[in-house]
Amino acid sequence: GENVEQHPSTLSVQEGDSAVIKCTYSDSASNYFPWYKQELGKGPQLIIDIRSNVGEKKDQRIAVTLNKTAKHFSLHITETQPEDSAVYFCAASVSNTGNQFYFGTGTSLTVIP
Amino acid sequence: GAGVSQSPRYKVAKRGQDVALRCDPISGHVSLFWYQQALGQGPEFLTYFQNEAQLDKSGLPSDRFFAERPEGSVSTLKIQRTQQEDSAVYLCASSPRAGESPYEQYFGPGTRLTVT
Repeated sequence: GENVEQHPSTLSVQEGDSAVIKCTYSDSASNYFPWYKQELGKGPQLIIDIRSNVGEKKDQRIAVTLNKTAKHFSLHITETQPEDSAVYFCAASVSNTGNQFYFGTGTSLTVIP
Repeated sequence: GAGVSQSPRYKVAKRGQDVALRCDPISGHVSLFWYQQALGQGPEFLTYFQNEAQLDKSGLPSDRFFAERPEGSVSTLKIQRTQQEDSAVYLCASSPRAGESPYEQYFGPGTRLTVT
């Protein structure tokens, strides 16, 4: 099955700085890569996603890049704010019967005011 | 509109008890997923429904775990004879579509199960 690795496990940045979280995947057939934000006591919230036919996608302060050759993808958050503090998960999915997601182990982001 | 809802939000069970966890997906969503999230880990897939059909149950850890979605909307995850290792957050997600390509999944708040 698919194996997704995520780094770093914890990340602290000053408010206004950028944060970058990186993930690698093992199955070259994976073709959909969502990113989720999870706050304490809540379910994961989809913040951005990218498909394998696209190299980069941006939504305001959030961007995701995908390198299919190297099998890695990254989340970039610019101009970080305290409310960005949360655990972020990357995931990968392969087209199959279930299209289930394989998640990374999460990055705990702290934005210091 | 209303998101995915799950109940109960918290459940404490004594080892050996049976539990039932409920998921109400977003109205009209075809696909429904159950995931298990251990403390400090990412969610792990348990099972998948397309409408009322359970198309994939490869992630269910043992035959003590059973899921159903009889009318293609509400789903129940049942765990029989709970064990301490079943303690986790159980997440439900729904997706508006189903098909050959993966689509976005929207998660509920989860049910935190603690087995004592």
